[in-house]
Order: sequence, then structure tokens, then C-alpha cells
Amino acid sequence: GESVGLHLPTLSVQEGDNSIINCAYSNSASDYFIWYKQESGKGPQFIIDIRSNMDKRQGQRVTVLLNKTVKHLSLQIAATQPGDSAVYFCAEVGGSNYKLTFGKGTLLTVNP
Amino acid sequence: DGGITQSPKYLFRKEGQNVTLSCEQNLNHDAMYWYRQDPGQGLRLIYYSQIVNDFQKGDIAEGYSVSREKKESFPLTVTSAQKNPTAFYLCASSQTYNNQPQHFGDGTRLSIL
Repeated sequence: GESVGLHLPTLSVQEGDNSIINCAYSNSASDYFIWYKQESGKGPQFIIDIRSNMDKRQGQRVTVLLNKTVKHLSLQIAATQPGDSAVYFCAEVGGSNYKLTFGKGTLLTVNP
Repeated sequence: DGGITQSPKYLFRKEGQNVTLSCEQNLNHDAMYWYRQDPGQGLRLIYYSQIVNDFQKGDIAEGYSVSREKKESFPLTVTSAQKNPTAFYLCASSQTYNNQPQHFGDGTRLSIL
């Protein structure tokens, strides 16, 4: 069945380092992917998205990479800051069913 | 500012009691959604509404009910039939059902007394 999962449930980095959060998906029909950031006690906040006709998209300090061959998605955060500490979720939208399927999340901790 | 407002932030329910969680959006979005989040877990879809006066069950609809009488409002009722209601409930909206991304409110945490 459909599933969205993460390779690393926790990630700890030093302030100023670059962070990479990975996500695997299993539905080859998925054509749209989203990364969300969730801080404690708050709702998920949209970070960046990418469609399946692209393999890279950049935002402010963030880059999403999509490898459809191995069904892998990653979020890169440049010069990670303490304010980046949060749980990061990837989500996919699969084919003609516009349902959004979420992974379990990765906890990113940034050490000062 | 445009956004999604969920209330209350914290809610307590007694056994056998129904409770209603509020979700209001001023983004003029057609589609609205309710999710449940358990500790260390991803989000699971309870109900969604593509347009006013329409709604469909998600993956875990049992024990919940919704209404969509107004475009900006999508309240969720947690009924006494929901045996494990303690969770963090998130409301979201998107411009249309097939036009993502979804934008989220800050959630309601429901606990059992």
C-alpha cells in the first residue's frame, strides 16, 4: 500500500552546519510532494513543495531534491539555525486521489 | 492576517460526552480537512470537505462527525463512540481539493478527564 517514511527519526546538528532530512515514498503514482515544519504545540507550516516533473527546487535556505528512480525525497537546510529545530514531515499526493499522505516525521535539533 | 483559527487550544472531555472543535478560515479556500496526530506519529485524515455542504470520510472517521454549512467553518465533533479521543487535532484548508498545499491551524489538544 501507500506509505511515506523517513530514514532518520532524529537528527542533531551544530548551528551553522547544513542539514539533510530524507524521506522515502512507495507510491510511484505520486506526483506532488510537500515538506512541512512543525514546532512543538503548533500546526505544520508549509516549507517547500515540488512536482514530479522537477528534480530540484530551491527556496530561502532550503532545497528539496526528488529522485523518482529510487522514490526518495530530501530536504536540505543551509546554515541551520536554532530556530530550525522542529519536526519535519514529508507528504505526498498520489495520482488522481488528491489525498495527502504524511510520513511520521524527523526531529531536527540544532545545537548552539 | 489571513489564516486558520482553531479553538479552543486545550479541551477536556468526560467519559460519554460529545465535544466540538472549532475551525474557521478566512483564506476563501474551498477545501477543508481534519487530521488527528498522536505522539510521535504523522497526521491521519479524519474527514474532508471539498466544498460547502459536502464532506467525505477520511481514513479514521469512526467516532467523529462534521458539518460544512459555511465556507469558512468546518467544525469537528468527537462523539462518545470515539474510544480513544486523546490526541492533537489539526484543521487544514487548501484553495481547492486538487490544488495543494494545505495550510494548517495551530491545533486543539483534547484530553480525557
